[in-house]
Amino acid sequence: DVKVTQSSRYLVKRTGEKVFLECVQDMDHENMFWYRQDPGLGLRLIYFSYDVKMKEKGDIPEGYSVSREKKERFSLILESASTNQTSMYLCASSPTGGNEKLFFGSGTQLSVL
Amino acid sequence: QKEVEQNSGPLSVPEGAIASLNCTYSDRGSQSFFWYRQYSGKSPELIMSIYSNGDKEDGRFTAQLNKASQYVSLLIRDSQPSDSATYLCAVFHSGTYKYIFGTGTRLKVLA
Repeated sequence: DVKVTQSSRYLVKRTGEKVFLECVQDMDHENMFWYRQDPGLGLRLIYFSYDVKMKEKGDIPEGYSVSREKKERFSLILESASTNQTSMYLCASSPTGGNEKLFFGSGTQLSVL
Repeated sequence: QKEVEQNSGPLSVPEGAIASLNCTYSDRGSQSFFWYRQYSGKSPELIMSIYSNGDKEDGRFTAQLNKASQYVSLLIRDSQPSDSATYLCAVFHSGTYKYIFGTGTRLKVLA
């Protein structure tokens, strides 16, 4: 089975901290995605990557950056965490092409105090 | 106008009934359509995918796509309490390479 692993299930950080959310997939997928999910707003795309060292902005990239140095790992970085970044963060991966389903990690619930 | 729209619900149906979930999308260039189920506190999991006009059936689930009307639906027959969850509609845009999600419809199946 495809496995998408997010490093932390729960995370509590202070305002202004630099935060790293890690995501690793084990099925050699080309595409990786970071979403955040908030009540009433659904899943919103932050960044995605369709190849190593490639990254594309999603719909809400402000305050975030990403890194994809290796194919299996896609990291989301909050440069200076703010309280409005408190959310559930979901990583997903898919094989090449848009006809494939997304495989999701278990999510990281981030609280910024 | 949101790119992918769903009624947030909750949609309540009695056990054994048919649940009908609807989704509309705005980009006519959308090419792939997905229904995910998400239980509270869990990640989304794929229920159905559909790529061409018409119906696609898988067990108790039927996805329907009408590209002319920009409309996707999911029917759940013989609904069970275990079907109670939030159902997310997702659309893939070939031009932008993005998967865009609706806000989800919460389904409650009453025993």
